[in-house]
Amino acid sequence: QSALTQPPSASGSPGQSVTISCTGTSSDVGGYNYVSWYQQHPGKAPKLMIYEVSKRPSGVPDRFSGSKSGNTASLTVSGLQAEDEADYYCSSYAGNNNFYVFGTGTKVTVL
Amino acid sequence: QVQLQESGPGLVKPSQTLSLTCTVSGGSISSGSYYWSWIRQPAGKGLEWIGRIYTSGSTNYNSSLRSRVTMSVDTSKNQVSLELTSVTPADTAVYFCARITTRAAFDIWGQGTVVTVSS
Repeated sequence: QSALTQPPSASGSPGQSVTISCTGTSSDVGGYNYVSWYQQHPGKAPKLMIYEVSKRPSGVPDRFSGSKSGNTASLTVSGLQAEDEADYYCSSYAGNNNFYVFGTGTKVTVL
Repeated sequence: QVQLQESGPGLVKPSQTLSLTCTVSGGSISSGSYYWSWIRQPAGKGLEWIGRIYTSGSTNYNSSLRSRVTMSVDTSKNQVSLELTSVTPADTAVYFCARITTRAAFDIWGQGTVVTVSS
């Protein structure tokens, strides 16, 4: 099972927006509305930011939003803040053979 | 709130078995319809799903690791365990345990434990 494809890096100035893509196949991202996104600061555990493509857990700022079109999901961080600088990973359910697959990860830099 | 804590040896010799335990606190491991999962992350690299277990004992594993992985659950101790046999240096990583919701989201994570495979 191949990892979902994300750009290695993305950046933006404070207050700007950044969008990260997550490309899979019809067997994972395209086949299920079970895409989630995780934020990971250095030396820390990942934190769930988005689930079921576009839903935010309690406590996650509404600056974080998710969407999906075909086999590609996206995470948008609006109004970038310094604390948003982190690695971001997408994940998708991939059916009863492969179950879960993660993305390659994107490092977001706040300029 | 529910918290997860991984524990186990930080150093394992090549060809031996890696054994880790995840202890769940703040709630019963049997409450709700959750799976419990292990994920690993080599230094500077991405996340890799290892497997999941339900409190019934039902398991599913990453096909690339299936021949070497065993997960188990002890509901009386509120723990899930991971065994990975015949380890090599390529198995060196931070190992996380996490809870999976019915919507396939890893919503709660442990802090992770570093395992190094070296002689």
